[in-house]
Amino acid sequence: DSGVTQTPKHLITATGQRVTLRCSPRSGDLSVYWYQQSLDQGLQFLIQYYNGEERAKGNILERFSAQQFPDLHSELNLSSLELGDSALYFCASSGDRAGVGLDTQYFGPGTRLTVL
Amino acid sequence: QKEVEQDPGPLSVPEGAIVSLNCTYSNSAFQYFMWYRQYSRKGPELLMYTYSSGNKEDGRFTAQVDKSSKYISLFIRDSQPSDSATYLCAMTDILTGGGNKLTFGTGTQLKVEL
Repeated sequence: DSGVTQTPKHLITATGQRVTLRCSPRSGDLSVYWYQQSLDQGLQFLIQYYNGEERAKGNILERFSAQQFPDLHSELNLSSLELGDSALYFCASSGDRAGVGLDTQYFGPGTRLTVL
Repeated sequence: QKEVEQDPGPLSVPEGAIVSLNCTYSNSAFQYFMWYRQYSRKGPELLMYTYSSGNKEDGRFTAQVDKSSKYISLFIRDSQPSDSATYLCAMTDILTGGGNKLTFGTGTQLKVEL
């Protein structure tokens, strides 16, 4: 158990809908990362937050947004969902106390999103 | 062309075999290299982390980095059925202003058979 929790484990929804995925980092970790894993693209970095502020951005669609709250949990919001958004979404956290990266990233169990 | 290339396998070996997993990369800015193991329906877990060219050993696992060739490897000695998983290479550089974006290979599926 990595200490990173994600809810829900599974989510089934329809095209055009909006969903929110939630992540609680390991106790004391300031950085939260979101990744998308699909069969054709593999594991891809979406976005990083450090202590409430956006720190790094990857290939995140404009329909997707994220935030990190004062208690350090994070939410990934996916809107106007398309069939191609079906994937595993992982959250990871790291200590990264200096905010410069390179601390080990610990991954949560993931949320499996199915868009019908 | 992807920044990180990894043979997807699947790779099937008998128990006790030595396994070699490899990745090549094109971005010379990558400085830090990792290997993650992912069991089915689980999140990736870090196996090895290395910075410099050369070898790093941890138990049955050896990570090898050749920055001049942009090539990294993971060797598993005395492979066990419990090693059956997908192995992902990952790499990163220091981003301007901080941040840590991992770039992953597509993963190699390994099956160790009794």
